[in-house]
Amino acid sequence: DTGVSQDPRHKITKRGQNVTFRCDPISEHNRLYWYRQTLGQGPEFLTYFQNEAQLEKSRLLSDRFSAERPKGSFSTLEIQRTEQGDSAMYLCASSPGTGVGYTFGSGTRLTVV
Amino acid sequence: RKEVEQDPGPFNVPEGATVAFNCTYSNSASQSFFWYRQDCRKEPKLLMSVYSSGNEDGRFTAQLNRASQYISLLIRDSKLSDSATYLCALPDSGAGSYQLTFGKGTKLSVIP
Repeated sequence: DTGVSQDPRHKITKRGQNVTFRCDPISEHNRLYWYRQTLGQGPEFLTYFQNEAQLEKSRLLSDRFSAERPKGSFSTLEIQRTEQGDSAMYLCASSPGTGVGYTFGSGTRLTVV
Repeated sequence: RKEVEQDPGPFNVPEGATVAFNCTYSNSASQSFFWYRQDCRKEPKLLMSVYSSGNEDGRFTAQLNRASQYISLLIRDSKLSDSATYLCALPDSGAGSYQLTFGKGTKLSVIP
């Protein structure tokens, strides 16, 4: 499978717990993006990596959120002390350059109870 | 004006009909535009890219109107399988920004 892979597909966690999601982009793509999507909304940008460098972060990315892409390959998104408002679909996408459409992964659906 | 605005619909059309959606945007400097299709509880999938005045791919046509700052998506001969939410996206207007900003999507239901 040469698409964008995300793991896990679903995560149910209790409020206050930490969660970590993983994204494996398309191997030739040096740009990696994290988005969040809630019901009835379009995807909202969270953060962007070019290779291993995190170049942009949204105001949506509070201090409880952290993302890494240690070797410019896979990326992780960690949410600490989860809140019910964090319940959403977390989408990872990659692209080979700017001005080019993204390829999204299947997403990780987070439910905080 | 919001960065990207779409009519949420739903658009309920019979099979075989032609339907068009518009997407208005505020970033007048954008050089690229994208239409994505999203099925329920699935990820968005790139449908069409628009870099100049428009693009056509089979039953789908995207047109760009820079003067009025909107892009449209026309679907001819609608199929049941076209039922989905259609998202438009374009680069964020912030300086040095690399990410795409998405609209909320337009829901299409094609009815037998």
